[in-house]
Amino acid sequence: GDSVTQMEGPVTLSEEAFLTINCTYTATGYPSLFWYVQYPGEGLQLLLKATKADDKGSNKGFEATYRKETTSFHLEKGSVQVSDSAVYFCALFPGSARQLTFGSGTQLTVLP
Amino acid sequence: DTAVSQTPKYLVTQMGNDKSIKCEQNLGHDTMYWYKQDSKKFLKIMFSYNNKELIINETVPNRFSPKSPDKAHLNLHINSLELGDSAVYFCASSPGHSGNTIYFGEGSWLTVV
Repeated sequence: GDSVTQMEGPVTLSEEAFLTINCTYTATGYPSLFWYVQYPGEGLQLLLKATKADDKGSNKGFEATYRKETTSFHLEKGSVQVSDSAVYFCALFPGSARQLTFGSGTQLTVLP
Repeated sequence: DTAVSQTPKYLVTQMGNDKSIKCEQNLGHDTMYWYKQDSKKFLKIMFSYNNKELIINETVPNRFSPKSPDKAHLNLHINSLELGDSAVYFCASSPGHSGNTIYFGEGSWLTVV
């Protein structure tokens, strides 16, 4: 079946540090890939997405590139801010199960 | 304008009670979902409806029953609540199954005491 594997958290960085959160997937077919973000006490927000191989999704300084050859969709940001502290979820859709399959989430804390 | 709205946002109730969480989307989407987020933040799908028809029903206790009166609404009814049902429940919707984005509601924090 489909699966998404994210790097274990929590991740703690200082403000303005470089961020990478690794995400790899296994799926049949060619799913779209997503990063969702959940700020403390809030719901899930779409951060960015990519719908086919080599596409780059970007938003709010975050980027991720759909790499079919390595089945990866790593999230990066050049300079994190305290306000980026949240849980980040990698996901694929629809996959064989016609549903959004999530990774386990990575807690990011950015210190001033 | 809230695209996917669910109520209540917070719910504290006693074991054995029956409760419902309502969800409505104003995006004109055909497909709606319920996801459960546990205390470790892990998200797992519970149900999916397409045009009021159940298409995904994961292994959840039959105390959980989704109801879709029309394609803009998918309510979640839970009978005989147990302590282990405490979680955050997210409603979501998408245009279909083709890889379009899924939009989430703000979540309903259920605490069973």
